Amino acid sequence: SQKIEQNSEALNIQEGKTATLTCNYTNYSPAYLQWYRQDPGRGPVFLLLIRENEKEKRKERLKVTFDTTLKQSLFHITASQPADSATYLCAPLYSSASKIIFGSGTRLSIRP
Amino acid sequence: ETGVTQSPTHLIKTRGQQVTLRCSSQSGHNTVSWYQQALGQGPQFIFQYYREEENGRGNFPPRFSGLQFPNYSSELNVNALELDDSALYLCASSLAWGRANTGELFFGEGSRLTVL
Repeated sequence: SQKIEQNSEALNIQEGKTATLTCNYTNYSPAYLQWYRQDPGRGPVFLLLIRENEKEKRKERLKVTFDTTLKQSLFHITASQPADSATYLCAPLYSSASKIIFGSGTRLSIRP
Repeated sequence: ETGVTQSPTHLIKTRGQQVTLRCSSQSGHNTVSWYQQALGQGPQFIFQYYREEENGRGNFPPRFSGLQFPNYSSELNVNALELDDSALYLCASSLAWGRANTGELFFGEGSRLTVL
């Protein structure tokens, strides 16, 4: 069965640096990949979607890449701020009919 | 436009009891998905409802059941509660996927269930 792997260790980054989070998947490539942010005790919030035929997608300080050869998506936050501290979840979708299945998430902490 | 609301926000039950969690979807959304999130884990897909019919189910036993109503609100019912059912239960609404949208899920704040 398909597995989704995100950095299990928390990521601690100095404010102003670029944070890079990884989402790896096994077997066949998803047609789409979503990224969400989740704050403690709250529901996830959608950030970005990248399609299989897109190498890169940007939104303000966020950048997502999708490498079907490496079976990996990278999520970058440039000029990181303490307010970016949260857990980030990736969710590959294998078709538009897919149900959204999440990875375990990576906890990001930005220190001032 | 109101967002997704869930009730109750917190509840405590004992083993063997039954619980019903409720969710009002975002205005205009016809699809509701339910997730279970244990501490430190990602949300686990329970099931999805589309126009009052179950439209996919994750790896959860039959004692997890649901309903969707004509106004697209939804309920999650769990029978014969077990200690491991303690978790945050998240409801998410969405539009049926179309070419122009991203399939994004709009989550409520969740119902925190503790089973003693």
